[in-house]
Amino acid sequence: DAGITQSPRHKVTETGTPVTLRCHQTENHRYMYWYRQDPGHGLRLIHYSYGVKDTDKGEVSDGYSVSRSKTEDFLLTLESATSSQTSVYFCAISGTQGAEETQYFGPGTRLLVL
Amino acid sequence: AQSVTQLGSHVSVSEGALVLLRCNYSSSVPPYLFWYVQYPNQGLQLLLKYTTGATLVKGINGFEAEFKKSETSFHLTKPSAHMSDAAEYFCAVSRASGTYKYIFGTGTRLKVLA
Repeated sequence: DAGITQSPRHKVTETGTPVTLRCHQTENHRYMYWYRQDPGHGLRLIHYSYGVKDTDKGEVSDGYSVSRSKTEDFLLTLESATSSQTSVYFCAISGTQGAEETQYFGPGTRLLVL
Repeated sequence: AQSVTQLGSHVSVSEGALVLLRCNYSSSVPPYLFWYVQYPNQGLQLLLKYTTGATLVKGINGFEAEFKKSETSFHLTKPSAHMSDAAEYFCAVSRASGTYKYIFGTGTRLKVLA
């Protein structure tokens, strides 16, 4: 399995508070992605990174920001959490030489916003 | 633009019966196509992928899929279902270059009946 960890694995927070989720990889892969998974929607891309300090928006980026100051870490921040951001968040990485298109997923973070 | 449609959010099969999970895609550029499996409370695991070359691709756990450009389909099959195949399955499409952002289908939950 690809070396991807996510922290925390579970979090309960209140509306209006900031929340930061961390994705850490040990594969030295170039690309990193944040998705959210909701029933009936599959997985939807929030933000992605194509290198250190190089990030871009996905299809559901409103209310989220990201940062990548090191190859191995990709942080997702909810500046002011809302109940609509209750979801399961997955980090993914890709960049295996000769198979850059293949994404490997972390175990997920379950976030509940009350 | 790219999109993915998975027909049937829930599919039930008897143990030993054929598994057929349907995926149709839309893409204005040559696509890469993927099937992932997700077991309860886990991340996504790659089953198989089509990038170029042979249109019939074999994956793990006895699954295979065939890329049919004329039908814009990438259906997943397995000749004989096992109880351990019960999970949720996601089809995804990406471009054949660039940052390899995925567009996921909404998923199909497979139930295997004894």
